[in-house]
Amino acid sequence: EAQVTQNPRYLITVTGKKLTVTCSQNMNHEYMSWYRQDPGLGLRQIYYSMNVEVTDKGDVPEGYKVSRKEKRNFPLILESPSPNQTSLYFCASKKTGLVNTGELFFGEGSRLTVL
Amino acid sequence: DAKTTQPNSMESNEEEPVHLPCNHSTISGTDYIHWYRQLPSQGPEYVIHGLTSNVNNRMASLAIAEDRKSSTLILHRATLRDAAVYYCILRDSNYGGSQGNLIFGKGTKLSVKP
Repeated sequence: EAQVTQNPRYLITVTGKKLTVTCSQNMNHEYMSWYRQDPGLGLRQIYYSMNVEVTDKGDVPEGYKVSRKEKRNFPLILESPSPNQTSLYFCASKKTGLVNTGELFFGEGSRLTVL
Repeated sequence: DAKTTQPNSMESNEEEPVHLPCNHSTISGTDYIHWYRQLPSQGPEYVIHGLTSNVNNRMASLAIAEDRKSSTLILHRATLRDAAVYYCILRDSNYGGSQGNLIFGKGTKLSVKP
């Protein structure tokens, strides 16, 4: 089954304790992206990656890091989490290229609470 | 990226058609119009997209104005399961650069009454 898998789905952590949210897709998609969703603010893009070893900042990259060493994985790293990073996070992927349909596939979300 | 404007919320009755409007007066010639929806407690899912002509698929229809400055997502018979936030998004079709990016706004929250 084609899917985007995020882990963990739920996490409560404390300020300053490094954490990684993993994202994996099994569709051989070139493009992957991370969004955060907060009440009243909608979905905001954190980072995106056009392909392996190619990443770029989205609208709200501060406090986050990403890496794209393999095509299927795009982990989101919070080196020193703070309470304002408490949010619902979504990973997404899509195929790119001249024949792509433009459809973004989303994971089920990871709810992160930083105390 | 060109911006879109949608109503914050809309209501519909079950089994009636729903027309969700989207204004995008600054759309460029290479911008595709995409619609996604987000059901409660789920990630967004693709609904439909188009460039100039009206489009139909199993989920919905997309009607695009002749000047492309507005579009309408049509759900032909709303069900309770269609209650969601619907996002209208423009994406540049030019290959490379930010081609993959989809910038989500706040969308329209659709409520469906039984």
